[in-house]
Amino acid sequence: DAGVIQSPRHEVTEMGQEVTLRCKPISGHDYLFWYRQTMMRGLELLIYFNNNVPIDDSGMPEDRFSAKMPNASFSTLKIQPSEPRDSAVYFCASRLQSGGQGAMNTEAFFGQGTRLTVV
Amino acid sequence: GQSLEQPSEVTAVEGAIVQINCTYQTSGFYGLSWYQQHDGGAPTFLSYNGLDGLEETGRFSSFLSRSDSYGYLLLQELQMKDSASYFCAVRFYGQNFVFGPGTRLSVLP
Repeated sequence: DAGVIQSPRHEVTEMGQEVTLRCKPISGHDYLFWYRQTMMRGLELLIYFNNNVPIDDSGMPEDRFSAKMPNASFSTLKIQPSEPRDSAVYFCASRLQSGGQGAMNTEAFFGQGTRLTVV
Repeated sequence: GQSLEQPSEVTAVEGAIVQINCTYQTSGFYGLSWYQQHDGGAPTFLSYNGLDGLEETGRFSSFLSRSDSYGYLLLQELQMKDSASYFCAVRFYGQNFVFGPGTRLSVLP
């Protein structure tokens, strides 16, 4: 498997524009996470899905952010309108739940991230 | 609330042993994980402690004590390539991970 694939790797956009980040999780994984990383705030969980259903979006900063997972192999994170403070690296990660809630198989696989710069 | 604390920076020399601590304030979690992230790269999984005690994976070991709300990552025989940021992460009931602020490890020749 090629791992978690994110696109684009880099995005530079002007304030007010719409930005769409894309993620293809590892085939067969049933959980998908979107994280944002900045120097000031570290790695923050934005939202996660289980079997394509959003489970917890409490980390989404505001209504300008939205995420979808129309099928098991694709997810998007959209920012509309974008602002300079949204500049960060956005990571998508996926994992497979197996063996029950306390299973040792807890590894989350991260994509290479999208570096977003809003000017 | 749920929070994790780590030292911001650690420096050591090649061949040495270094311990990176992680303390947390939370309850109801499955276990403590450790991730490595090189500059410009993605976090990659290193180890997981679901139970108290020591887990060993090659040069890396991780420890958890739930009674002390404390864990650590131990890196032995340090190599230059180990220079990176290291994050502890707690997996809460549910599925979300909360990451610590990260510790930047610099390995000197």
